[in-house]
Amino acid sequence: DGGITQSPKYLFRKEGQNVTLSCEQNLNHDAMYWYRQDPGQGLRLIYYSQIVNDFQKGDIAEGYSVSREKKESFPLTVTSAQKNPTAFYLCASSIGGMNTEAFFGQGTRLTVV
Amino acid sequence: GQNIDQPTEMTATEGAIVQINCTYQTSGFNGLFWYQQHAGEAPTFLSYNVLDGLEEKGRFSSFLSRSKGYSYLLLKELQMKDSASYLCALPPSGYSTLTFGKGTMLLVSP
Repeated sequence: DGGITQSPKYLFRKEGQNVTLSCEQNLNHDAMYWYRQDPGQGLRLIYYSQIVNDFQKGDIAEGYSVSREKKESFPLTVTSAQKNPTAFYLCASSIGGMNTEAFFGQGTRLTVV
Repeated sequence: GQNIDQPTEMTATEGAIVQINCTYQTSGFNGLFWYQQHAGEAPTFLSYNVLDGLEEKGRFSSFLSRSKGYSYLLLKELQMKDSASYLCALPPSGYSTLTFGKGTMLLVSP
């Protein structure tokens, strides 16, 4: 079955540690996105990639980094520079054209203690 | 750029009808999406409108007026499981990416 997979679903890290969230899709989608969602808030765009080996900062990129070495994969690293990393992180992919329905992974809930 | 505005919260009773509004501004319109998100889960696609008018899909319908920059999601015969956040979203346009509104939290009570 085609889909988009995020792992793990729950992640705990100590303050000051970098952590990488995985996102893999087998939908052959060109575009991939990382969103952050805080309680009672909408989705805020962290980074996005329209094509392999290219990515752009979203609205809240500070303290995060990404890579897009393969079409299927778009990992997100939450660095120690991110002041408030505890949140629900959602990865999405879309064909990349104008009628771009987004498909979401199950999300990763990151808790930094 | 793109901007979306939705009410923060709405409440309704089981069996009723509720209308969730969304107003938007965009430099290039390429349609409008509605997504449903249950607490702690990923958003799931509900509808896509690109032409003016009402599109019905079972208990859910979505309306679009491009001239007014306005859309609404109509939920009929509400069920408890419809308690969720409903997100209005615009596809990429020009230099804008897929843009989501903050969502409307709908609480359905018995």
